[in-house]
Order: sequence, then structure tokens, then C-alpha cells
Amino acid sequence: GENVEQHPSTLSVQEGDSAVIKCTYSDSASNYFPWYKQELGKRPQLIIDIRSNVGEKKDQRIAVTLNKTAKHFSLHITETQPEDSAVYFCAASYTGTASKLTFGTGTRLQVTL
Amino acid sequence: SQTIHQWPATLVQPVGSPLSLECTVEGTSNPNLYWYRQAAGRGLQLLFYSVGIGQISSEVPQNLSASRPQDRQFILSSKKLLLSDSGFYLCAWERGSETQYFGPGTRLLVL
Repeated sequence: GENVEQHPSTLSVQEGDSAVIKCTYSDSASNYFPWYKQELGKRPQLIIDIRSNVGEKKDQRIAVTLNKTAKHFSLHITETQPEDSAVYFCAASYTGTASKLTFGTGTRLQVTL
Repeated sequence: SQTIHQWPATLVQPVGSPLSLECTVEGTSNPNLYWYRQAAGRGLQLLFYSVGIGQISSEVPQNLSASRPQDRQFILSSKKLLLSDSGFYLCAWERGSETQYFGPGTRLLVL
């Protein structure tokens, strides 16, 4: 089955700096890669996703890149703000009849003033 | 718009007691439905998924079971809870777009 590794487990940046979180996956058949943000005690919320036919996707301060050859994808957050502080999860799936997500172990991002 | 509900929001149960968690989705039909568990400070683990009424696929062997008695209803059950069943249980839905949307979750503590 799929295995997703995520690094770092914790990340502390100053407000205004950039943050990068990296994930690798094992199954070359995986073709869908979402990123979720989870605030303390809350449900995970989708912030951006990318499909295997695209190498990069951007939404305002958030961008995701995908390298299918190396089987890794990354989340980039620019101009970080205190409200970006949360746990971020990457995931991977092969979309067939159902989309069975395999999640990384999460990165706790702390944006300090 | 689509809405997903879970209840109860929190639950404290003794070891060996039964469990029933419910998830319902509004505003869509024939969704794929998923149950995940998140242990404290950990990632999400897929437990079950369903692509239709009465169709359940199990991802992890355990003492939990799932059922889908109606198109937009997904139930997670156990006959006898274990301490290791404690966690945050999240239901999710998606329909043809791959994107999964999570419910508010049920926080279960087994004592």
C-alpha cells in the first residue's frame, strides 16, 4: 500500500517568512495530492490540492509543487501570518472508485511575531 | 451547499461497552463516505469507506465495524470498546472530485 512521509514534524518561522513542508510517497500510481490544515480541536480543512498531470499550483500565498519522478511534493507558504499556525497534513491517493487517502504524520507550524 | 454532520461531538465510554457513531451528509446524493481515526497528536488513519448503500470496505482489521443503511448515512460501531479505541473520529465525503470534506468529528475517550 501507499506510504507517505512528511517533514519536518515541527516548524517555527517568524511572521513574514516563508515555510516549506515536504512529503514523499511510495506508490507511483498515486495521482491526487491534497494538503489539509488542522487547527487545535478542529476538523482538517482542505487548503490546496494537486493532481499528477500538473507540476505546480498556486493560490494566493500558498503553492504546491509535485515531482512525479522523485515522488515528492511540497507545500510553500509565503508571507506567513500568525493565523497560519496549525498542523498541516499532506496526503496521497490513487483515485479509482473511491479516493483512499494516505496521510502524512503532520507538521506543526508555529508563526511567531 | 453540502453539509456533513457527526454526533455525538464527544463521548466517554467504559472499556467493554458498545459504540455507535453517526455521520450524515446533506446536499448531495450517492457520495463516497469515509471513516478516519486520529490518535492524539497523530495523523489520520483510514478505517472504512463506502461507495454505496450496504457497501463497506475495511482498511484496518480491528474490533470496529461500519454500516451504510441509507445513501447519506454512515455509522461506525463496536460491540466492545478497547482503551486503544480512544481518539478523534472523522467522517468525510466526496463525490467524483477526489476532494474529501471532513465532518466536525467525534472525540471518544475510553476509560
